[in-house]
Amino acid sequence: NAGVTQTPKFRILKIGQSMTLQCTQDMNHNYMYWYRQDPGMGLKLIYYSVGAGITDKGEVPNGYNVSRSTTEDFPLRLELAAPSQTSVYFCASRPGGEETQYFGPGTRLLVL
Amino acid sequence: QQQVKQSPQSLIVQKGGISIINCAYENTAFDYFPWYQQFPGKGPALLIAIRPDVSEKKEGRFTISFNKSAKQFSLHIMDSQPGDSATYFCAAPRRAGNMLTFGGGTRLMVKP
Repeated sequence: NAGVTQTPKFRILKIGQSMTLQCTQDMNHNYMYWYRQDPGMGLKLIYYSVGAGITDKGEVPNGYNVSRSTTEDFPLRLELAAPSQTSVYFCASRPGGEETQYFGPGTRLLVL
Repeated sequence: QQQVKQSPQSLIVQKGGISIINCAYENTAFDYFPWYQQFPGKGPALLIAIRPDVSEKKEGRFTISFNKSAKQFSLHIMDSQPGDSATYFCAAPRRAGNMLTFGGGTRLMVKP
């Protein structure tokens, strides 16, 4: 199993541009999560999903959108990039009935 | 809304010493408290977790101590090694256990 994979690893965006951060897991996990990690600020939950077709907001959803059309994929969309969205983004998944979250390697995003 | 306060923000320990990181949470209806370990450039990975039907859990050199009445739990790393140098996050569950709230992280450096 590859686990949780994220693409791209690094991206530079200009203000106002849009992009999609990709997340895929091959463990057949129902739950998937998107976090952002700012220096010294821990992990903040952006959106999460309890299964295909079901998504819900986390702590910091503004400026982001998600979709979950399949169990495997959980893309995160930035429509109008802003400097405040400069961060490292982590995707995670977990199976139902287990609390452990499995994280991907992250996407580093720089908005200039 | 769940708040998790973690201290210290950074910690320097000599090889062979004891590293202690503390977390305090406000409210939770669910009993599952994990610690995640993150190496530079990687995603967080579960290190150890506790369900507070016990006050302590030990796995090798890593121990969680839990004080339910004080709403506090801590991570102790015995015989700290340079390979333990990483950022450590505590977390507490919120809202039906589907989400975790993470502490701000502790950057540990173990000097040889």
